[in-house]
Amino acid sequence: QVHLQQWGAGLLKPSETLSLTCAVYTGSFSGYYWSWVRQPPGKGLEWIGQINHSGSTNYNPSLRTRLTMSVNTSKNQFSLKLSSVTAADTAVYYCARRYCDSISCHFDSWGQGTLVTVSS
Amino acid sequence: QSVLTQPPSVSAAPGQKVTISCSGSSSNIGNNYISWYQHLPGTAPKVLIYENDKRPSGIPDRFSGSKSDTSATLGIAGLQTGDEADYYCGTWDSSLSAVVFGGGTKLTVL
Repeated sequence: QVHLQQWGAGLLKPSETLSLTCAVYTGSFSGYYWSWVRQPPGKGLEWIGQINHSGSTNYNPSLRTRLTMSVNTSKNQFSLKLSSVTAADTAVYYCARRYCDSISCHFDSWGQGTLVTVSS
Repeated sequence: QSVLTQPPSVSAAPGQKVTISCSGSSSNIGNNYISWYQHLPGTAPKVLIYENDKRPSGIPDRFSGSKSDTSATLGIAGLQTGDEADYYCGTWDSSLSAVVFGGGTKLTVL
């Protein structure tokens, strides 16, 4: 059973860079899309982006200009950096594994979530 | 404004059945498989349905999914108080090259 554990700074000031890392325990690191999903207070889920083991990425078009994802296959970890944050980026951030077979994909495992607050 | 449209809330009595709709377009639901997630406060989301109508192991058959054209439906039968949660549909949008979610539906078991 795969286990995802995430960490990163929980309090940022406007214009700073949000940085989160997710470690994957038990299970293959290749063959999946490693994603980030966030939930602002009182709002729904928002997909941020994904990366595979070879570093190929897909980003949410609304966040693309501020977003960088990376992967460290030697540690089975992947990371998120979101620059120039504002209060609108305040949310619970989840890392998640997106499993794809020959016809479809879905999120089958999630991290515990990290509350990131942007405030001056 | 979410790409996929869900009702903000639904409610029903214990033991009853409820359905939650998810409406999209040809670039998402119309040409891709949909999945459904249950999100309880303070916990990580959990997949209930994938590939439109398949249940992962451990998900009871009270949960069902269906899809028709550009809409999908999650059904929950034999409602229990523990089913109170937010429910989200999600799929790939081929035009956006992005995963898209519905706005979420809050289920209240009266």
